[in-house]
Amino acid sequence: AQSVTQLDSHVSVSEGTPVLLRCNYSSSYSPSLFWYVQHPNKGLQLLLKYTSAATLVKGINGFEAEFKKSETSFHLTKPSAHMSDAAEYFCVVSDGISNFGNEKLTFGTGTRLTIIP
Amino acid sequence: NAGVTQTPKFQVLKTGQSMTLQCAQDMNHEYMSWYRQDPGMGLRLIHYSVGAGITDQGEVPNGYNVSRSTTEDFPLRLLSAAPSQTSVYFCASSYGGGVYGYTFGSGTRLTVV
Repeated sequence: AQSVTQLDSHVSVSEGTPVLLRCNYSSSYSPSLFWYVQHPNKGLQLLLKYTSAATLVKGINGFEAEFKKSETSFHLTKPSAHMSDAAEYFCVVSDGISNFGNEKLTFGTGTRLTIIP
Repeated sequence: NAGVTQTPKFQVLKTGQSMTLQCAQDMNHEYMSWYRQDPGMGLRLIHYSVGAGITDQGEVPNGYNVSRSTTEDFPLRLLSAAPSQTSVYFCASSYGGGVYGYTFGSGTRLTVV
């Protein structure tokens, strides 16, 4: 079984300040982890992914995430928030099993990021 | 532009009606799936397919049917709509499953009255 917990349902930061969105996971396998972003009335866009290579993962739009196995965490960060970052962010875990019938994604409940001008 | 196309974008149904949500991708992806998004619950998997002719149930399959006759298309059928099926539905596709990341469509907002 696997699960994802996004620790904050809503985060507000001022433009130009750092962003931290927190995600903890549990998995019986060596998981793959993802962050997706959803802008209003849009589909989900992949920000970045961890698939057992480097533990610090760089994504699009200046976002990064660090995989910490000992803490079972995969927090998303950005050094300086921009107004266009306002959106909902989803942490996702995959058991990574690619054999037919067993691949499964589990989504967190989302964190809404608000940027204060 | 290459990607996942969902139609319609909005739909209102009466209880008991049936309809099909369409999903098409032009990236030759084998993996396709349907999710529903409800407030405070993230996305939940309805059905998925790992190739033409192969489908399986996800977390919340009741009330929905799928088929996959071609690589490109993965329609979702609501057999007899219920108010509990009011939701936003997303179709997604992937080259090889979750480790590769998924491409999502822009969603279908369905209201059942």
